[in-house]
Amino acid sequence: DAGVIQSPRHEVTEMGQEVTLRCKPISGHDYLFWYRQTMMRGLELLIYFNNNVPIDDSGMPEDRFSAKMPNASFSTLKIQPSEPRDSAVYFCASSLSLGGQPQHFGDGTRLSIL
Amino acid sequence: AQSVAQPEDQVNVAEGNPLTVKCTYSVSGNPYLFWYVQYPNRGLQFLLKYITGDNLVKGSYGFEAEFNKSQTSFHLKKPSALVSDSALYFCAVRDMGGGSYIPTFGRGTSLIVHP
Repeated sequence: DAGVIQSPRHEVTEMGQEVTLRCKPISGHDYLFWYRQTMMRGLELLIYFNNNVPIDDSGMPEDRFSAKMPNASFSTLKIQPSEPRDSAVYFCASSLSLGGQPQHFGDGTRLSIL
Repeated sequence: AQSVAQPEDQVNVAEGNPLTVKCTYSVSGNPYLFWYVQYPNRGLQFLLKYITGDNLVKGSYGFEAEFNKSQTSFHLKKPSALVSDSALYFCAVRDMGGGSYIPTFGRGTSLIVHP
């Protein structure tokens, strides 16, 4: 079991640029989550998918953020245009189901917008 | 609505001493409760969970947690701390009585174990 794989691990770019974060969930997991972690706000849920379908995107901060899951083994989180306040660590997680099943997290993408 | 509180931003303990990281929760029904650990530059790792049954739950790396319904608490404990236990610890809760299907995470508690 390779775990949840995120890429890139680090991203540094200038404001206004498009940023794409990638995630490969654990095979067989039906749920995929995108989180953002900052010192000020802690861990925030941005969006989650069930069987590739977005279920709740109420945590997405602005229209500049979008997420897709074209198939069961791949998801992207895109920011366009990026702003310095988007700097954070972004985590992807997956789980077998909701409720009693734990979430399995990737090691995150550390995003810095200059 | 579901909520969770970790009242201590940081806990300091000497190696070999017992440690406790506190968590309290608020739900309308019965809770699902989780503890996760985050090491530097890594994602959160699942430690243990309470769903139902025995109030004392044992998990990975010698950690355990005690569910106390009357005090609405789920404190994480370990009898003898190791320097390698130094990390950020998160408590999470999901309300089985309704509301969000997704667990709510606390702000995290930084555990520092001194040699």
